[in-house]
Amino acid sequence: QSALTQPPSASGSPGQSITISCTGTSSDVGGYNYVSWYQQHQQHPGKAPKLIIYDVNKRPSGVPDRFSGSKSGNTASLTVSGLQAEDEADYYCSSYADKNNLIFGGGTKLTVL
Amino acid sequence: QVQLVESGGGVVQPGRSLRLSCAASGFTFSSHGMHWVRQAPGKGLEWVAVIWYDGSNKYYGDSVKGRVTISRDNSKNTMDLQMNSLRAEDTAVYYCVRELYISGWFYHAFDIWGQGTVVTVSS
Repeated sequence: QSALTQPPSASGSPGQSITISCTGTSSDVGGYNYVSWYQQHQQHPGKAPKLIIYDVNKRPSGVPDRFSGSKSGNTASLTVSGLQAEDEADYYCSSYADKNNLIFGGGTKLTVL
Repeated sequence: QVQLVESGGGVVQPGRSLRLSCAASGFTFSSHGMHWVRQAPGKGLEWVAVIWYDGSNKYYGDSVKGRVTISRDNSKNTMDLQMNSLRAEDTAVYYCVRELYISGWFYHAFDIWGQGTVVTVSS
């Protein structure tokens, strides 16, 4: 099973909005609404990822509503509105896939300029 | 508080075995599917394996299938990953991860992560 495709990098200025895409196939992203997104800060080595979106567009308790998710066909997207310095991190998408698999994207490094 | 603590990592020679463990606390362990996710140095996340809440089903990623076995003990709130025939490409931080479960539904998302245990496969 191949990794989901994410752009390696994205950037934006404070206050701006950015969108990160996550492209799969009909066997994963397109076939299920089990798309989730994770934020991982790399400033602290060994920092575990944090769930920020699940079920395509649902936010866990405590995640700011600046983070939103969507899906169209085989592509899911994460939008971060009102960028803040603390949003600078790596972002990974994940999807449930056929035959009880789970697949991650390659990750996108978000830089806040 | 809700917590997952991994142990068992270390340096091991290619072809040898290693057993990782995860101790859970602060939640009803037997209600959640549990996973292992790994991250090679400087690389992205890779799903390794899942075991259902009751241990009835286990599934593995293609890169480890046939070489690893996941297990759990709900009476002790622990989960293990037995890794055999280790290769250099298995070098990674291994995270114990809880699957999100809300009102009877499993969401195939990971809401609680441990801090990870480092596995280095090198001669």
